[in-house]
Amino acid sequence: AQSVTQLDSQVPVFEEAPVELRCNYSSSVSVYLFWYVQYPNQGLQLLLKYLSGSTLVESINGFEAEFNKSQTSFHLRKPSVHISDTAEYFCAVGSMMDSSYKLIFGSGTRLLVRP
Amino acid sequence: SAVISQKPSRDICQRGTSLTIQCQVDSQVTMMFWYRQQPGQSLTLIATANQGSEATYESGFVIDKFPISRPNLTFSTLTVSNMSPEDSSIYLCSVINFKGRNEAFFGQGTRLTVV
Repeated sequence: AQSVTQLDSQVPVFEEAPVELRCNYSSSVSVYLFWYVQYPNQGLQLLLKYLSGSTLVESINGFEAEFNKSQTSFHLRKPSVHISDTAEYFCAVGSMMDSSYKLIFGSGTRLLVRP
Repeated sequence: SAVISQKPSRDICQRGTSLTIQCQVDSQVTMMFWYRQQPGQSLTLIATANQGSEATYESGFVIDKFPISRPNLTFSTLTVSNMSPEDSSIYLCSVINFKGRNEAFFGQGTRLTVV
């Protein structure tokens, strides 16, 4: 079975400060890793993903995440946050098991950016 | 990307009744899933909708309570049967098309309130 752990339920941070949202996973098979963002009263949007290749992946709005296989982590970082980054962030793990594909989500981290 | 239309967007239902949610995708997709997102919580996978056969349910979800249909590659329905207030939640349709992307796209969700 696979699981995803987001230890921080809420991360308050001041505008223009750096932030890291943590994600750890467990799986007995190879995985694909994703970060999704959910802005208030909106649907889920893909922020970035790791499928293979370079372990550092970036999004168009300044977020990045690094796949660390030895630590089974996929932490999300941004060097300088904006008020508009306030949202719920979900880490997700996808894998093939028993000839079927599943995408499992972590519990989410609410990023609160304050002026 | 895939465009997903989910209907209804919201509904208020009486306990003991049933509601069927529709998910229409603008292109043929490999996999379709149904998730539940309870207020302030993460996404929980209900089942994988299999084309032309019975859905594959996750632990804690059963066909009698959540019957699912997928008659073709672009359409699926989820029925929430014999509803109780505990079924109040957002129900989300998700699709994946395995063509080198492996990312999941989500509908806007159906916000269900059971009174």
